[in-house]
Amino acid sequence: EVQLVESGGGLVQPGGSLRLSCAASGFTFSNFWMHWVRQAPGEGLVWVSRIHTEGSSTNYADSVEGRFTISRDNAKNTVHLQMNSLRADDTAVYYCVRGLYGPSVGFDYWGQGALVTVSS
Amino acid sequence: QSALTQPRSVSGSPGQSVTISCTGTSSDIGGSSYVSWYQQHPGKAPKLMIYDVTERPSGVPARFSGSKSGSTAYLTISGLQADDESDYYCCSYAGSYTFAIFGGGTRLTVL
Repeated sequence: EVQLVESGGGLVQPGGSLRLSCAASGFTFSNFWMHWVRQAPGEGLVWVSRIHTEGSSTNYADSVEGRFTISRDNAKNTVHLQMNSLRADDTAVYYCVRGLYGPSVGFDYWGQGALVTVSS
Repeated sequence: QSALTQPRSVSGSPGQSVTISCTGTSSDIGGSSYVSWYQQHPGKAPKLMIYDVTERPSGVPARFSGSKSGSTAYLTISGLQADDESDYYCCSYAGSYTFAIFGGGTRLTVL
């Protein structure tokens, strides 16, 4: 059974940092692009970032470019999202998501989400 | 890049069909074969319903279908059931840099 389990969410002050982790199981992790998608309270879905199967290529939404860094460890079946210079509008549930294949926006498995709250 | 445009809400009676539209531009939906649709019940993670414009993942009922015309994609749900009441989001490939853009979401009410 495919499982994605996020951890590392919590309350952080504006300007602070947080690192989300996602533990994957039930599939060959190194074969899939991995993504982060977020959803602010009461709002819609927003794609945040993706990382190539080998970690050799990454992409970011304009809103997080230069502040967030995605990485992965295929030996440990984990993907991370390092979030720096956090702002109030980064407050959201962050989902770890598996991509079907390269250019597809078919995200077939989602974690339960990790809540990040940026507030003083 | 702005979010794709979806109607805020649609409704239908059990057994009827409804279609949800998702309008973008030539930079996303209009120039892409990669459009997906997600169903999200309150407090739950989204569920993939359609990918690559028309493809249904295993386990998704054939009542759900996808299509595209120009820069607008459509999700059609036939034979509406009470459990279809949910939020629906479209998503499109938007280029190798931005990669993906979602719609604002549509609340489907089954009357």
